[in-house]
Amino acid sequence: DADVTQTPRNRITKTGKRIMLECSQTKGHDRMYWYRQDPGLGLRLIYYSFDVKDINKGEISDGYSVSRQAQAKFSLSLESAIPNQTALYFCATSDFGYEQFFGPGTRLTVL
Amino acid sequence: AQSVTQPDIHITVSEGASLELRCNYSYGATPYLFWYVQSPGQGLQLLLKYFSGDTLVQGIKGFEAEFKRSQSSFNLRKPSVHWSDAAEYFCAVGAYSGGGADGLTFGKGTHLIIQP
Repeated sequence: DADVTQTPRNRITKTGKRIMLECSQTKGHDRMYWYRQDPGLGLRLIYYSFDVKDINKGEISDGYSVSRQAQAKFSLSLESAIPNQTALYFCATSDFGYEQFFGPGTRLTVL
Repeated sequence: AQSVTQPDIHITVSEGASLELRCNYSYGATPYLFWYVQSPGQGLQLLLKYFSGDTLVQGIKGFEAEFKRSQSSFNLRKPSVHWSDAAEYFCAVGAYSGGGADGLTFGKGTHLIIQP
């Protein structure tokens, strides 16, 4: 089984809908991250968490929220999706803060 | 704030030829540097990383990278490319606070095309 899983893998939704993307990991890492990837822009950090009580904003947190339900679970929510949030979203984990391990990604399309 | 520049958006190389992908970073402290590869429709795979020590680091799939502090560079090299190396390559720098990694800052990527 994969160490970092993301659900769903693909999602198409409409403007204004609430969307939740979920990430689970079995690596036992404390640190978890959410990134989005847009063509030609690379990956940009949305939110990160050092533990269940520690949530931090990244470079592009506006329009997003997160929840760290447990050490192994970190969810990303779009309260009211808009078309420019169409992107590939990646979850990642790390141990003491060095190498990051990425999930397979969720492709989100907002119509 | 840290930043990463990958000057080449696309690079085309003949199969069997050598490869060098450029990466320049800006970071106020000792950088932690990474190269990731993303094959079409896939996630990111770590090729290699630099934390400290020997400035020439070896990675998977025959890749290596050299850290040059004076040039703020961390270029990726491979002596002979294979068709399967066609992919998107990302350079990244890590920012770290007292609590751990604050996240990676990525370059915009270099798309590698392999000609037969």
